[in-house]
Amino acid sequence: SYVLTQPPSVSVAPGQTARITCGGDNIGSKSVHWYQQKPGQAPVLVVFDDSARPSGIPARFSGSNSGDAATLAISRVEAGDEADYYCHVWESSTGLFGGGTRLTVL
Amino acid sequence: EVQLLESGGGLVQPGGSLRLSCEASRFAFSNFAMSWVRQTPGKGLEWVSAISGGGSATFYADSVKGRFTISRDNSKNTLYLQLSTLRVDDTAIYYCAKDSPRAFYSGSAYYGGAFDVWGRGTMVAVSS
Repeated sequence: SYVLTQPPSVSVAPGQTARITCGGDNIGSKSVHWYQQKPGQAPVLVVFDDSARPSGIPARFSGSNSGDAATLAISRVEAGDEADYYCHVWESSTGLFGGGTRLTVL
Repeated sequence: EVQLLESGGGLVQPGGSLRLSCEASRFAFSNFAMSWVRQTPGKGLEWVSAISGGGSATFYADSVKGRFTISRDNSKNTLYLQLSTLRVDDTAIYYCAKDSPRAFYSGSAYYGGAFDVWGRGTMVAVSS
């Protein structure tokens, strides 16, 4: 079965760029979506179709996807970006999520 | 503002049943596929089931196939999830989510998109 692998945690200082990866076999051939989830809240879509941003999501959030890894990049990180981030793809009519990455702003 | 509001969660014994509802507002509900996604407290997200906009096509995760049933009533702008033969490991927050406009199905295959709107979730606890 298809598996998405994310690092459990990423730490970054304010103002720096955070990069969160999502690994999967030839994931570059799939559309990858990214969600942000803050404690006690529902997930929010921050990037869809690899690199597109929904309205209202700051341009600091960007995505890329190639080969065996997709990446969510958050530039000029702020304290308010501290959250769990999940990648998501569809495979054989099944929705799949990565295990999630806790972003800590130092 | 587009909104989804889940209800129907609660405490149920193993082997029991429950029906979750998700009321949609401020968008053309029947035009969009919908999904249920669950999250065990403190853990990650798990897709559970999807249904086409018209309701004729349904899709399930292997972990719930044969036990859960997704349905919708477009006249009421409401999505449902019937949970049966519940197990302790079904304990989770259940979210309904709206799929993107480009999601579609063809025969027995579902080609989903991003979940662009989520409800706040409803908690299901399975315990004796």
